[in-house]
Amino acid sequence: SQQGEEDPQALSIQEGENATMNCSYKTSINNLQWYRQNSGRGLVHLILIRSNEREKHSGRLRVTLDTSKKSSSLLITASRAADTASYFCATPFGNEKLTFGTGTRLTIIP
Amino acid sequence: EPEVTQTPSHQVTQMGQEVILRCVPISNHLYFYWYRQILGQKVEFLVSFYNNEISEKSEIFDDQFSVERPDGSNFTLKIRSTKLEDSAMYFCASRGGAGPDTQYFGPGTRLTVL
Repeated sequence: SQQGEEDPQALSIQEGENATMNCSYKTSINNLQWYRQNSGRGLVHLILIRSNEREKHSGRLRVTLDTSKKSSSLLITASRAADTASYFCATPFGNEKLTFGTGTRLTIIP
Repeated sequence: EPEVTQTPSHQVTQMGQEVILRCVPISNHLYFYWYRQILGQKVEFLVSFYNNEISEKSEIFDDQFSVERPDGSNFTLKIRSTKLEDSAMYFCASRGGAGPDTQYFGPGTRLTVL
């Protein structure tokens, strides 16, 4: 299985602090994607990092990828209440199906 | 910004009834997908569709499920005879072209089977 597994399962931080979530996967990938899901809503694509990239930034998001450890991290800086959501990493299998992890539930405390 | 749309947002049906979930992918995209998420569980892949045919399907996607692209814009998922365990959020996604690329998801249809 190519499943990504996120860690921690749940994270609560004060508004303004940074949040870091980790993802591990099992087999070789050509890219890894992070998604956000607000409670009961759709999946919003955040960022895609390719296997030949080690770090990528998008606004307050910073993603790293370590293919030797088969792991990725998502850092959200200067968190806001609106960042409260579940965050998933997803790895594609053969450019077709995405395999999702169980997600990290992030709660930002105002 | 282009987005994937899905209708209806919520569908309630009786067990054994047929349902059709509708999706309008992003207009220039070529690859289409359905996923589902049972409450509290992971998002699971159901099927991928390219060039008017299924390119891959999961073991969940049995004979009760079918997909169709009836025209140039819509992409539908049909469940012929719904079961209680089909209750879930169903997401449509689309992707532009070949190679590593982002899948863009719709807001989902919440299916409740009674």
